[in-house]
Amino acid sequence: SQKIEQNSEALNIQEGKTATLTCNYTNYSPAYLQWYRQDPGRGPVFLLLIRENEKEKRKERLKVTFDTTLKQSLFHITASQPADSATYLCALGSGGYNKLIFGAGTRLAVHP
Amino acid sequence: EAQVTQNPRYLITVTGKKLTVTCSQNMNHEYMSWYRQDPGLGLRQIYYSMNVEVTDKGDVPEGYKVSRKEKRNFPLILESPSPNQTSLYFCASSGGGSYGYTFGSGTRLTVV
Repeated sequence: SQKIEQNSEALNIQEGKTATLTCNYTNYSPAYLQWYRQDPGRGPVFLLLIRENEKEKRKERLKVTFDTTLKQSLFHITASQPADSATYLCALGSGGYNKLIFGAGTRLAVHP
Repeated sequence: EAQVTQNPRYLITVTGKKLTVTCSQNMNHEYMSWYRQDPGLGLRQIYYSMNVEVTDKGDVPEGYKVSRKEKRNFPLILESPSPNQTSLYFCASSGGGSYGYTFGSGTRLTVV
């Protein structure tokens, strides 16, 4: 069955460093991959989408890579700030926007 | 303001008492979806809709019903709630393309 794996342990980093989160998947050939941010008790917020034919996408301090050979996406936050502390979810989709499968998320804590 | 509105935010009910969670979006989005979020399991898709009168099952549809009579509304119906449906529920919508899903604020449901 399709499986998405994100680091279940929290990632703790120092302010100003680059945070790197990993999303691995098996038994799936996604057409695109999305990253979301979720704060406690709130709905996820869309950050970035990258398609299967794109290697890298950037938005301000965020960078996403997508390696369909390794079946992996990396999500980077450069110059991290305490306000970046949240849970980050990756989601995979194929074809239309009907079926989007989410990973369980990785909690990021940025310390001053 | 572009948003997805869910109601109620919190609901405690008893086993077997039918309930409806409403969802409305004001962005004219075609795609809408319901998810439930449980600790350690992440977001799991219950039902999705690609347009008016077009709905289909997600990964965990048992015990739920949906309808899409109007583009803006996508209610989630629990005909006979059971304690294993205690969860945090999110409605989401998307216009497709390079845009991700916009999520509602969530409905925390407790079935006793």
